[in-house]
Amino acid sequence: AQTVTQSQPEMSVQEAETVTLSCTYDTSENNYYLFWYKQPPSRQMILVIRQEAYKQQNATENRFSVNFQKAAKSFSLKISDSQLGDTAMYFCAFMKHGDSNYQLIWGAGTKLIIKP
Amino acid sequence: KAGVTQTPRYLIKTRGQQVTLSCSPISGHRSVSWYQQTPGQGLQFLFEYFSETQRNKGNFPGRFSGRQFSNSRSEMNVSTLELGDSALYLCASSLRTAAYEQYFGPGTRLTVT
Repeated sequence: AQTVTQSQPEMSVQEAETVTLSCTYDTSENNYYLFWYKQPPSRQMILVIRQEAYKQQNATENRFSVNFQKAAKSFSLKISDSQLGDTAMYFCAFMKHGDSNYQLIWGAGTKLIIKP
Repeated sequence: KAGVTQTPRYLIKTRGQQVTLSCSPISGHRSVSWYQQTPGQGLQFLFEYFSETQRNKGNFPGRFSGRQFSNSRSEMNVSTLELGDSALYLCASSLRTAAYEQYFGPGTRLTVT
């Protein structure tokens, strides 16, 4: 069975700083997808960034980038120039490739607080 | 394009009752997944429906069931409610393409007393 571990329950940084959230996962699969989702307080879950395991290049979306280390089964999220609006719960999630495996397996989440 | 909508947003029920939650996916999305979010267990997958068929199921008791209609709208039902069923129930829709991206609704907050 696949598991996703986020070892940082809570983090806080000053606005404009860079912060890195950690995520490790365990799987015997070779083809899979990794995601970071953001859940702001009392607001809905939104996709931040996505990485296909077969791609060696790390995904980037504006201020958000990942460090994907397949051999180490590590998938960290870096937020550059952090903003107050980045305050949220961040969840790392895993999905196996394949029609019969269309379900997200979630980490416990990291609460990120951006201080002014 | 309208996002994923869930109704009702808040619900209070008594132990032993049953409840039905509704989810309307983004137009054109035929896959609807349901997740339960609690402080203790985190986010857990309930089930996924695609083209009116349940394609995947998580590890939940048979009290949790769902269905999908021809317009892709989905409902989930929980019978014989227990206190532990209090949770935020999230619905996500997807094109179910290789992108594997899911788009979430605001959730239904269920409180069982």
